[in-house]
Parts: sequence; structure tokens; C-alpha cells
Amino acid sequence: GAVVSQHPSRVICKSGTSVKIECRSLDFQATTMFWYRQFPKQSLMLMATSNEGSKATYEQGVEKDKFLINHASLTLSTLTVTSAHPEDSSFYICSARLGDRGGKLFFGSGTQLSVL
Amino acid sequence: GENVEQHPSTLSVQEGDSAVIKCTYSDSASNYFPWYKQELGKGPQLIIDIRSNVGEKKDQRIAVTLNKTAKHFSLHITETQPEDSAVYFCAASKGRTGGFKTIFGAGTRLFVKA
Repeated sequence: GAVVSQHPSRVICKSGTSVKIECRSLDFQATTMFWYRQFPKQSLMLMATSNEGSKATYEQGVEKDKFLINHASLTLSTLTVTSAHPEDSSFYICSARLGDRGGKLFFGSGTQLSVL
Repeated sequence: GENVEQHPSTLSVQEGDSAVIKCTYSDSASNYFPWYKQELGKGPQLIIDIRSNVGEKKDQRIAVTLNKTAKHFSLHITETQPEDSAVYFCAASKGRTGGFKTIFGAGTRLFVKA
């Protein structure tokens, strides 16, 4: 099956620091990856669409200077939360689209970010 | 914009009983409907999906039905087991037309009592 690896699984940082989260498709190439944010007991909220070799497309209300996305290769997308604050604490999940299956999404295991 | 409504928010069943989760989508251009299972602290896992040219699909104890006219789709789990306890999300996508964006329902927390 298609495997998506996301690291780190958990990170605790001080307010004002930046945190980078990596999302890798291990056994397939993903031209499109998606980043989501999930609050406790809530659904997944799409933050941005990451396209290999081009700028990410952000959803309305998501600050692109706050959440930097880079999709430098067909197997790696990164999300950097810049100058993190306690309100950025959340569960962040990436997904990768398996191109030859017309849109099937496979998810990483998520990153729990806690900003002190 | 596209909206997916999911019911119930919580479902409790006895082991061995069936569980049904229902979803409604708003955009008639949606053509792909996946279902995901999410366990605590983990990412969602694709369990079954259905495309708009199919009315029903089954995989062992799991089945999904789609009514395009009514814009309804449902997940059916038979002979439930305690390990089926998790949060289930339905979703809808317009495929390439919609940039492969997937819109999720609010989720159903399923409890299977042994």
C-alpha cells in the first residue's frame, strides 16, 4: 500500500520559535500534498495544497507567512510554523495524493504541536 | 462552497451489531467519496471509497452506498468488533476539477461495546 511518513510525531517548543514538519511519500511520487489542522474532537481543516515545484495554495484565513510550505521534490513536502504561539498548538496532518489512483489520499500519522 | 454533513456525531453499538453512518454533500460535481477511520493520536486511514459511477461497494464487513440524486452516501459496518471503535470521517472530492481537494464531514465517534 501507499505509505506516507510524517515527522516529528510530537514537538514541544517555546513561543517565538519555528517548527518544521516533514511529510514524505515513501513508495510513490506525489505531485500534490495537502496539509490539515485538527483540533481535539473536530474534523480536519484543510490549510493548504502543496504542489511540487510551485507555490502552495492556501485556504482562506490561513496565513501563508505564518505557515510556510515547501514541496521541493515529488516525495517531500514541509510545513514550517514560524514564530509559533500557543494558539498554534494543534494536531497537524499531511496527506499525499496517489496520482495513478485518481485522487486517493493517504495520510501521515500526524504531528502534535504544543507551544508553551 | 462544498459542504459535507455527517450523522450521527456519536454512535454506540453492541459487539456484533451493525453500524450505519450517513453523509450528505452539497456540490453535485463531487465524484469521489472516501471514508476514513481515525484512531486516537493517529492520522486518518482510508478504509473504503466509492466513485460516482457506482451505487454500492463492499469490502468484507464494510460497505458504502451512494445515492447521487439525493446526494447521500452511507457507510455500513456489519458484525462490529471492539477494534472498530474509532472516529470515522466521510469525505467528498471533485477530483481534478476541484484540484483534488477533499472536504471532510465532522466525524462520527463509534463505540463498540464488548
